[in-house]
Amino acid sequence: DAKTTQPPSMDCAEGRAANLPCNHSTISGNEYVYWYRQIHSQGPQYIIHGLKNNETNEMASLIITEDRKSSTLILPHATLRDTAVYYCIVRVRGNQGGKLIFGQGTELSVKP
Amino acid sequence: NAGVTQTPKFQVLKTGQSMTLQCAQDMNHEYMSWYRQDPGMGLRLIHYSVGAGITDQGEVPNGYNVSRSTTEDFPLRLLSAAPSQTSVYFCASSYQSTGHYGYTFGSGTRLTVV
Repeated sequence: DAKTTQPPSMDCAEGRAANLPCNHSTISGNEYVYWYRQIHSQGPQYIIHGLKNNETNEMASLIITEDRKSSTLILPHATLRDTAVYYCIVRVRGNQGGKLIFGQGTELSVKP
Repeated sequence: NAGVTQTPKFQVLKTGQSMTLQCAQDMNHEYMSWYRQDPGMGLRLIHYSVGAGITDQGEVPNGYNVSRSTTEDFPLRLLSAAPSQTSVYFCASSYQSTGHYGYTFGSGTRLTVV
């Protein structure tokens, strides 16, 4: 699976959009981009995933660049409850089973 | 629907003791995994399974054994606990990747080895 690079920490004002970047310059054509988050001491939570088209669900939006070498997770109206570590993961769709590899992630602090 | 259930939530072991961390899911997920998380670090994959009877090693498998006799259960065994195994352990499960659902994680087991 391709390696990802994320900033170690970011701040965001409550009510504003939080934009979390991820670089995955070595991504291959059959690899998907996944985002998870981990709120303090809890198990990670799946947020969203995508291949090449932008995706949106009730939690967030995922913007993937045309060359697929980077992506941005957008939390449109961040709340204090969105304070967490956010992980960007690139993995092959297929017979990879439970081999989901986490990096260091971005620690997002949402401030009042 | 309980999701992924891990037991116990907390455990203290003495060096050299053995124990089994339990993980059960009621979602009929084929894939199950175990991770450990040390302070200030991300999650590291210990072992994983793509289905009953099939297991494989992750990034940090030494000191741990697993088996998958049923779809629902994926226990993690520490044969001889060491202080280096003090950590928070998370179990996760998922449908086959062709179904493309995210992984569901348990709430964790906090293990201290003294």
